[in-house]
Amino acid sequence: EPEVTQTPSHQVTQMGQEVILHCVPISNHLYFYWYRQILGQKVEFLVSFYNNEISEKSEIFDDQFSVERPDGSNFTLKIRSTKLEDSAMYFCASSVRIREAFFGQGTRLTVV
Amino acid sequence: GENVGLHLPTLSVQEGDNSIINCAYSNSASDYFIWYKQESGKGPQFIIDIRSNMDKRQGQRVTVLLNKTVKHLSLQIAATQPGDSAVYFCAESDGNNRLAFGKGNQVVVIP
Repeated sequence: EPEVTQTPSHQVTQMGQEVILHCVPISNHLYFYWYRQILGQKVEFLVSFYNNEISEKSEIFDDQFSVERPDGSNFTLKIRSTKLEDSAMYFCASSVRIREAFFGQGTRLTVV
Repeated sequence: GENVGLHLPTLSVQEGDNSIINCAYSNSASDYFIWYKQESGKGPQFIIDIRSNMDKRQGQRVTVLLNKTVKHLSLQIAATQPGDSAVYFCAESDGNNRLAFGKGNQVVVIP
């Protein structure tokens, strides 16, 4: 069964460092998303991406965040200068149609 | 796991019994709803969805009921199995390209 693949499973980074989280969406999917889940809180929407551009973003997704689809298969989330409060599970998701999102296993980001 | 500290409502159910998980939503403009299952250390797993023009949809061992009048969504799991133990989230969308997740319900299946 096709699945969304995320790497690494766990990333530890120092505060202020840049981090890139990697995702390979399901191959025939057209819509791509990043969500995050801070420990003990709800899953929160960050950004959606379609046709090589951001289609929607939340108030969390500020100038420190960016997304890219560099080669037609990967979908990355970059955090330019990490803060302690960026520590969370980051989930990539993809869908054929709007909103029917299938999620990856997540990357646990720990900022120290 | 990720949901530690949420103090989630917990449903304990005997293996083989039916489970009902409830979700209240607040956005009356929401027109699409999904139930996700999240096992410890894993991402949300799609279970079933329903659009607002329906009030019931059935899948394999699962049924979703939607009551738009009282903004209530429920997930029924028939013949609950140990593998059903997880946190269950409802999520809603109001036509934009994002999902708003609820807090989740912990289901514990007792063998």
